[in-house]
Amino acid sequence: AQTVTQSQPEMSVQEAETVTLSCTYDTSENNYYLFWYKQPPSRQMILVIRQEAYKQQNATENRFSVNFQKAAKSFSLKISDSQLGDTAMYFCAFMNQGGSEKLVFGKGTKLTVNP
Amino acid sequence: NAGVMQNPRHLVRRRGQEARLRCSPMKGHSHVYWYRQLPEEGLKFMVYLQKENIIDESGMPKERFSAEFPKEGPSILRIQQVVRGDSAAYFCASSRGQPDTQYFGPGTRLTVL
Repeated sequence: AQTVTQSQPEMSVQEAETVTLSCTYDTSENNYYLFWYKQPPSRQMILVIRQEAYKQQNATENRFSVNFQKAAKSFSLKISDSQLGDTAMYFCAFMNQGGSEKLVFGKGTKLTVNP
Repeated sequence: NAGVMQNPRHLVRRRGQEARLRCSPMKGHSHVYWYRQLPEEGLKFMVYLQKENIIDESGMPKERFSAEFPKEGPSILRIQQVVRGDSAAYFCASSRGQPDTQYFGPGTRLTVL
């Protein structure tokens, strides 16, 4: 069974600075997807970024980018120019490409952006 | 361009009552997933459905919980004879499948008194 580990329960960063959230996962599969979701105080789950395992290029979405290290099974999220609205829980998630399409989530990292 | 819709947003039940949670997927999406989030926890997969079919229910408790996604209408997650431990946020997600990115609804917060 796949597992996802987020080793940082809480982090904080100053507005306009850069922060990196860590995620590692365990799988024997070769084809899969990785995601970062954001859950602000409203509790809505919002997709931040997605990475296909077969792609060597790291995904980027505006201020959000990932460092995907397939051999190390690591998938960290970098937030540049942090904004107050980035304050949220961030969840890393894994989806196997074959079989059931369920997402396996980590326990989350609570990020606080300070003014 | 409506997203995934869930209702009710908040549901209060007394122990022993039934809870029905509804989910309407995004337009064009035929795959629905239910997840449960306990306080201070990540989301845990419960069930994956396509129209009129349960594809994977490996995360569903064996008793009291059931799910359906009929040909017409929303997907329903049904919890019979609720207990206090069922108190949680229940999220529905939808996708086009194949697989594809899942988009989440706002969740239903169930409180069992």
